[in-house]
Amino acid sequence: EAGVVQSPRYKIIEKKQPVAFWCNPISGHNTLYWYRQNLGQGPELLIRYENEEAVDDSQLPKDRFSAERLKGVDSTLKIQPAELGDSAVYLCASSLDGQTIRDEQFFGPGTRLTVL
Amino acid sequence: AQKVTQAQTEISVVEKEDVTLDCVYETRDTTYYLFWYKQPPSGELVFLIRRNSFDEQNEISGRYSWNFQKSTSSFNFTITASQVVDSAVYFCALSEGHRDDKIIFGKGTRLHILP
Repeated sequence: EAGVVQSPRYKIIEKKQPVAFWCNPISGHNTLYWYRQNLGQGPELLIRYENEEAVDDSQLPKDRFSAERLKGVDSTLKIQPAELGDSAVYLCASSLDGQTIRDEQFFGPGTRLTVL
Repeated sequence: AQKVTQAQTEISVVEKEDVTLDCVYETRDTTYYLFWYKQPPSGELVFLIRRNSFDEQNEISGRYSWNFQKSTSSFNFTITASQVVDSAVYFCALSEGHRDDKIIFGKGTRLHILP
């Protein structure tokens, strides 16, 4: 069974440029999560989807970040415009049911973003 | 407020030695969940264990074991007879259980197993 797929794996952009990350969760997983992991830190939740609905986006900086999960399958996270402080690894995860966030989450390999 | 502290930033041991990774948590809730995740160099986090606050039994899974002590708010992780493949960053995490809350991760402990 394929795991969580993310692309690209690496992205280098200049500040003020836009960037987008894509995630395809495990087939059949209803809940999808986006996390940001700064260097030397644990992941921090940005947004959680149950199917198409964003049920928790309280940590998403909405002035520059946006996300969508059309059709409740794959998802895109966008930053526009990017700032130097956005350099991090962006992790996507999915879980089968998502009745609670404490369900086992399966993580993708992440996208490492470098903003110059 | 909930908080997870992993005081050991980096640990190096020689292969076949036992190693314990410490985790101390803070929460006001009586119901909560604790997790350990492994992050190998490839980047994806791998779920290792989830325990709820009402289950203080220690758990063993192969070479891995976990010691949950509510009296000291600790949830330590021991690898017995370590192997080079155990080299990774290990994260302890906490989620309060009275509502659908976030998982708060510690800063992680980077474990090097030397051949």
